[in-house]
Amino acid sequence: DIQMTQSPSSLSASVGDRVTITCRASQTISTYLNWYQQEPGKAPKLLIYAASRLQSGVPSRFSGSGSGTDFTLTISSLQPEDFATYYCQQSYSSLLYTFGQGTRLEIK
Amino acid sequence: QLQLQESGPGLVKPSETLSLTCTVSGGSISSGKYYWGWIRQPPGKGLEWIGSIFYSGSTYYNPSLKSRVTISVDTSTNQFSLKLNSVTAADTAVYYCGRHPAAAATDYWGQGTLVTVSS
Repeated sequence: DIQMTQSPSSLSASVGDRVTITCRASQTISTYLNWYQQEPGKAPKLLIYAASRLQSGVPSRFSGSGSGTDFTLTISSLQPEDFATYYCQQSYSSLLYTFGQGTRLEIK
Repeated sequence: QLQLQESGPGLVKPSETLSLTCTVSGGSISSGKYYWGWIRQPPGKGLEWIGSIFYSGSTYYNPSLKSRVTISVDTSTNQFSLKLNSVTAADTAVYYCGRHPAAAATDYWGQGTLVTVSS
């Protein structure tokens, strides 16, 4: 199984801050890496697919990068609506699409 | 606009079978471009992919659940279903259905439905 490890597990930041979340795969996954945002009580929302492609309708302050085993999600200037939990997911293995454990982004 | 909606019992007894259905509207399951999957999230925990199905009936399951899971599709009603047997309290979770292309992200999600396993 491909394991996905996110860091940090939680993060406190202020509106306007630049924030980076990292995700590491236990083996190479090329660019088969996706990022989701989940607000409490809601379904996850796709932000970034194929490591760096912005999903339609997602603000441009969100960006993704990386390939192989190391990936990052960056929010260039935090907005109040960005405080949520973020998950990475690999879609390389057709046998098991694993998620990272999540990063909770809180208001400082 | 594509919409997915989960339905099924919110309470299941231990050792019984959990059964959920996802109804797809605004698009056809038979389009041939997408897989249709189930993901779950125990209260306060992270996301776990359960499995996916193609309109033809081809399935992929999480190996950790494979012995207990069956996903099926009914193209005539534009629905796909999840059955998880021999449930325990550990299967208590919000269950989501979703759509994804092969080897790609889930771009549409249902709102989720909480299933509690308890006697």
